[in-house]
Amino acid sequence: GENVEQHPSTLSVQEGDSAVIKCTYSDSASNYFPWYKQELGKGPQLIIDIRSNVGEKKDQRIAVTLNKTAKHFSLHITETQPEDSAVYFCAASKSDDKLIFGTGTRLQVFP
Amino acid sequence: DTGVSQDPRHKITKRGQNVTFRCDPISEHNRLYWYRQTLGQGPEFLTYFQNEAQLEKSRLLSDRFSAERPKGSFSTLEIQRTEQGDSAMYLCASSLVAGLSSPLHFGNGTRLTVT
Repeated sequence: GENVEQHPSTLSVQEGDSAVIKCTYSDSASNYFPWYKQELGKGPQLIIDIRSNVGEKKDQRIAVTLNKTAKHFSLHITETQPEDSAVYFCAASKSDDKLIFGTGTRLQVFP
Repeated sequence: DTGVSQDPRHKITKRGQNVTFRCDPISEHNRLYWYRQTLGQGPEFLTYFQNEAQLEKSRLLSDRFSAERPKGSFSTLEIQRTEQGDSAMYLCASSLVAGLSSPLHFGNGTRLTVT
């Protein structure tokens, strides 16, 4: 079955700096890669997703890149703000199948 | 609020007791998922429904766990004879599937503590 690895487990950045979180997946048939943000006491919230027919997707300060050959995908947050502090999860799935999540990255943005 | 709703938010129970959680998905969503999340980990898949049919169950889902979605709307997850290892956040998510994978929308979870 699919296995998703996520690094780093914690990340501290200064406000205004960029943050990058990386994930790898094992199943070459996976074709959908969402990213979720989870704040304390809440469920994960989708922030951006990408499908395997696209190499990059951007939404304001957030971007995701996908390298299908290497089975890597990454989340990039630019101009970080304190409210970006949360736990971020990557996930992967095949068409019409369940999501498999990474282990999470705790991002702290210091003012 | 038109998001995924879970009830209760918190449940404390003694070992050996049975507990039941409820999830109300987004109304037009045909898929409903249950995940379990322990501290410091990502959500782990438990089971999912398409309308009222339970299509897949994880090996994590022991015989003590049962889930239902009787009318293809809300779902319940029951844990019988709870154990301390069942302590976790139980997350429900829903999606509208039409061929391609579609975004999962999560509720805020039910936090279970077994004492």
